[in-house]
Amino acid sequence: NAGVTQTPKFRILKIGQSMTLQCTQDMNHNYMYWYRQDPGMGLKLIYYSVGAGITDKGEVPNGYNVSRSTTEDFPLRLELAAPSQTSVYFCASSSDPYEQYFGPGTRLTVT
Amino acid sequence: GQQLNQSPQSMFIQEGEDVSMNCTSSSIFNTWLWYKQEPGEGPVLLIALYKAGELTSNGRLTAQFGITRKDSFLNISASIPSDVGIYFCAGQLYSSNTGKLIFGQGTTLQVKP
Repeated sequence: NAGVTQTPKFRILKIGQSMTLQCTQDMNHNYMYWYRQDPGMGLKLIYYSVGAGITDKGEVPNGYNVSRSTTEDFPLRLELAAPSQTSVYFCASSSDPYEQYFGPGTRLTVT
Repeated sequence: GQQLNQSPQSMFIQEGEDVSMNCTSSSIFNTWLWYKQEPGEGPVLLIALYKAGELTSNGRLTAQFGITRKDSFLNISASIPSDVGIYFCAGQLYSSNTGKLIFGQGTTLQVKP
């Protein structure tokens, strides 16, 4: 049972480039979340989904987009990368809106 | 946005000592969670609390949901070197049921053998 998997583990982007961070869970969880973690800080919610086809903004959604076409996958899209998006990105899932389980993270640098 | 104030920010203790940390807010929460994060990894859920006054243990870890619903505490007894990491509290606002968690800034724990 793999849990929550994220790819890639590391990525360096140039300003203005775009990319998709992948997140997959094999626990049949309805709820999925994207967070970013800046150095020395807690996690901030970017987007979340309560089920396939349903997404909503979190605390810091600007510059990001998501989609949820299946229960398993919840990709995060950066359209025009900016240095302020340099961060570690975590995907999480849960079967109820409480106990979230996190993936290993994607470390993104925008230069 | 909403904030959780987590303290202390860091702790450097001797192996065998007990540890206490807490989270406070001006808002009321319906759920409190405690996570541990090790370098290069995602947070791992330690304890979940759902009722005011609830006291829950997980091995040497004990956490409490404050009576006012505005705070939570985590205690670690008889610390060992593998307790090293960053401990985060997280809460869901009383008015929410979507799983939108608010995280504290974390408490970095270092244990000297």
